[in-house]
Amino acid sequence: DTGVSQNPRHKITKRGQNVTFRCDPISEHNRLYWYRQTLGQGPEFLTYFQNEAQLEKSRLLSDRFSAERPKGSFSTLEIQRTEQGDSAMYLCASGRRAAGHEKLFFGSGTQLSVL
Amino acid sequence: DAKTTQPTSMDCAEGRAANLPCNHSTISGNEYVYWYRQIHSQGPQYIIHGLKNNETNEMASLIITEDRKSSTLILPHATLRDTAVYYCIVRPTDNYGQNFVFGPGTRLSVLP
Repeated sequence: DTGVSQNPRHKITKRGQNVTFRCDPISEHNRLYWYRQTLGQGPEFLTYFQNEAQLEKSRLLSDRFSAERPKGSFSTLEIQRTEQGDSAMYLCASGRRAAGHEKLFFGSGTQLSVL
Repeated sequence: DAKTTQPTSMDCAEGRAANLPCNHSTISGNEYVYWYRQIHSQGPQYIIHGLKNNETNEMASLIITEDRKSSTLILPHATLRDTAVYYCIVRPTDNYGQNFVFGPGTRLSVLP
């Protein structure tokens, strides 16, 4: 596995600005997940794609958040009109299913700071 | 909400075995137990998973009680690089999406 790549690693923005993060999954994985993690907490599920289809969204994903996965390859997560409460680590994972179970492989995340 | 409970933190001496417990008393028959760990500033890393039988791989061993209501992750010879937050997760087979629910995990500190 060549690994899940996320860019940028860090993003500092002012409140009210829009930001976009990119995730490049492991190439043969057809499932892609976005999670958010705040200090001292475990990752929280945001949304999930199978190929290009967005199949599930958490109630944490407000209407300011949108995720896409065109052509079932890389994915982007956009946050519009950022708020200070959006400050968190945003993690992407891709999944490989085998024998009824699934392993997730995570990227190193994008750390967002909203000033 | 996570379906597991874990101690908040644990210490282990370098070179000794680290035994991390997890309680999953409401586990269903079709749910796997997964363990992940997260080293500071990195994303979580898969360690091991199991259904009923004990499992071992190059990273760790997983001991699941006969009633499946609890499990223990064993790092046989802990090193300083094993210092991390360890997450125990239960998840149905052949199910996706939200069912990877991470709790706060156990913060393991391996001491020299």
